[in-house]
Amino acid sequence: AQSVTQLGSHVSVSEGALVLLRCNYSSSVPPYLFWYVQYPNQGLQLLLKYTSAATLVKGINGFEAEFKKSETSFHLTKPSAHMSDAAEYFCAVSEKNDMRFGAGTRLTVKP
Amino acid sequence: ETGVTQSPTHLIKTRGQQVTLRCSSQSGHNTVSWYQQALGQGPQFIFQYYREEENGRGNFPPRFSGLQFPNYSSELNVNALELDDSALYLCASGLATDTQYFGPGTRLTVL
Repeated sequence: AQSVTQLGSHVSVSEGALVLLRCNYSSSVPPYLFWYVQYPNQGLQLLLKYTSAATLVKGINGFEAEFKKSETSFHLTKPSAHMSDAAEYFCAVSEKNDMRFGAGTRLTVKP
Repeated sequence: ETGVTQSPTHLIKTRGQQVTLRCSSQSGHNTVSWYQQALGQGPQFIFQYYREEENGRGNFPPRFSGLQFPNYSSELNVNALELDDSALYLCASGLATDTQYFGPGTRLTVL
């Protein structure tokens, strides 16, 4: 069964610094991979998704993620953090008809 | 805005009661999935409906059941509520294994 592991439950960066949120996946078939963001008391918003078309995926709000099959990773990055990026981020993998989420990484952005 | 709406926003029930949560999917989407998100955790897959039939189920007991209607609406029913059922319940709609779009969730508190 597919699964994802998010390394680091909390990440803190300064405004303007690089954001790196780590995600490793396990899947028996080429996976669909997703990053979602969740702001307090809200549902999940799609940031980006990988569906095997290109290994570097660009998403909304300046985020991007790179699919590395050899490392089974799908890390999320943003060159320059903004205060509004503070939220909970979830990596997810989908094989068939269900989506498996990681435990989430809470991103804090310091002024 | 994902076009997915959920009602009610918040709900308080007592142990042993039954609850029905509602979701209105985005027009044209043929799948609806329900997730349970406990506080501080990632969403856990409950089940998915495709063309009004259950199309996959996570590790949840039979007292969690659902319905999908032709008008893109769906329901999650939970019988014999337990304290551990307190969570944010998320509905997501989409097309087959493609991206799922989430609603804002219903916060259920069981006392």
